[in-house]
Amino acid sequence: EVQLVESGGGLVQPGGSLRLSCAASGFTFSRFAMSWVRQTPGKGLEWVSATGGGGGYTFYADSVKGRFTISRDNSRNTLYLQLDSLRGEDTALYFCAKPSVGGNWFESWGQGTPVTVSS
Amino acid sequence: EVVMTQSPATLSVSPGQRATLSCRASQSVASNLAWYQQKLGQAPRLLIFGASTRATGIPARFGGSGSGTEFTLTISSLQSEDFAVYYCQQYNNWPLTFGGGTKVEIK
Repeated sequence: EVQLVESGGGLVQPGGSLRLSCAASGFTFSRFAMSWVRQTPGKGLEWVSATGGGGGYTFYADSVKGRFTISRDNSRNTLYLQLDSLRGEDTALYFCAKPSVGGNWFESWGQGTPVTVSS
Repeated sequence: EVVMTQSPATLSVSPGQRATLSCRASQSVASNLAWYQQKLGQAPRLLIFGASTRATGIPARFGGSGSGTEFTLTISSLQSEDFAVYYCQQYNNWPLTFGGGTKVEIK
């Protein structure tokens, strides 16, 4: 059974940093691209970033480009998202999501880790 | 970026009735569209991919159709567990984008 467990969220001041982690199990982690998706309070879903199975490519939403960095450690089956220069609008629940082998739709999701940016 | 627009924002339906949800893309995404269901306090659950293929374990009352820029999710006979928020997502282009959601509520 696929399991994705996020951690690392919390309360941070504007301009601050956080590193989110997603521990994966139940599948061959290195064979899959992985994404982060966020959901702002009371609002919808926003894809944030993705990285290839070997970490060979990375994509970012324009809203986070230059501030967030996605990475992975395939030896630890863990996905990361480094959040720098945080803004109030980054306040959200951050999900780790695993796409299907056939394409970039998300067949498995974690339960999310909350990030609150506030002074 | 491909903008996904869902309508209506809220749909009030009686149990046992049919629900029809729409999703429109600002440019063609071919059949590269997925639908998700999200209940309060839970992560999204994949319902449909490839515009019309049900994901594993999804009941046959959920059906997807469309291609290009116009898509529809139909729930043929709403059950109590189907009242939730539904999102579409295109995966034809980067960045991946989601619609704003349709809340299906009990009438």
